[in-house]
Amino acid sequence: ETGVTQSPTHLIKTRGQQVTLRCSSQSGHNTVSWYQQALGQGPQFIFQYYREEENGRGNFPPRFSGLQFPNYSSELNVNALELDDSALYLCASSLLRGFVRGYTFGSGTRLTVV
Amino acid sequence: GENVEQHPSTLSVQEGDSAVIKCTYSDSASNYFPWYKQELGKGPQLIIDIRSNVGEKKDQRIAVTLNKTAKHFSLHITETQPEDSAVYFCAAHSNTGNQFYFGTGTSLTVIP
Repeated sequence: ETGVTQSPTHLIKTRGQQVTLRCSSQSGHNTVSWYQQALGQGPQFIFQYYREEENGRGNFPPRFSGLQFPNYSSELNVNALELDDSALYLCASSLLRGFVRGYTFGSGTRLTVV
Repeated sequence: GENVEQHPSTLSVQEGDSAVIKCTYSDSASNYFPWYKQELGKGPQLIIDIRSNVGEKKDQRIAVTLNKTAKHFSLHITETQPEDSAVYFCAAHSNTGNQFYFGTGTSLTVIP
C-alpha cells in the first residue's frame, strides 16, 4: 500500500506568478483534501475533492483552485502569488467523502514566494 | 465555525517523565478528535484518535481523554523518550462538515 506523495518538495516562486502542486493519493482513496500550513501554525483547510468534484472549501480566495483526476490524484493551483502564500501545502487522502478516520497526509510542498 | 485552541505551545520534559497537551473546541457538533505528530520536514501523522461516545482511549504510552460536556480533550504521553520530540496537533471534526479544524500545535522537547 503506497502512501500519499507530493511534488515538488520545495519550490520558490516570484510574487505574481502561478504555481501548480501535485498529489498522488494513497491507493484506494477517493477523496483528497488540501491544507495550507503557515510556519508555526496548524494546517488550514483549503478544499476537498471527491470523485473529481469540489466537495467543500475553506476561507481561501478563488485564485486557489484544484483538480482531481480519474485516478484520484490531484492538483492545487495558485494564481497571482502573494508573499503570504509562502507555506507548507499538505495533501491528505481518505477513503470516504464523509467521515474520515484521520487523514493520511503527504510530506508536503514547501512554497516560498519572494 | 469550529475553533480549536491548544496549550501549551511549547513543552519541555525530562526523559521518562509524562507530557500532557490540552485542547478545547467550540462546536458541540464535533464528534471526532484525532491527534497528529509532525516531525521536521514531514507531514502530520495520526497517532491516536477518539470519538465523542468514548471518554478515554489508550495505546501503549499514549492516551487521550475527552470531556464532551466541557468541550476539551487531552493527550497524555507517559515514559517520554527523545524520539517523542516533535510538534503535536489536536484536531476536531464533525459529521456535518468535511474538514478538520486543527489547533496551533505544541512543540514537545524530551531532554535525555
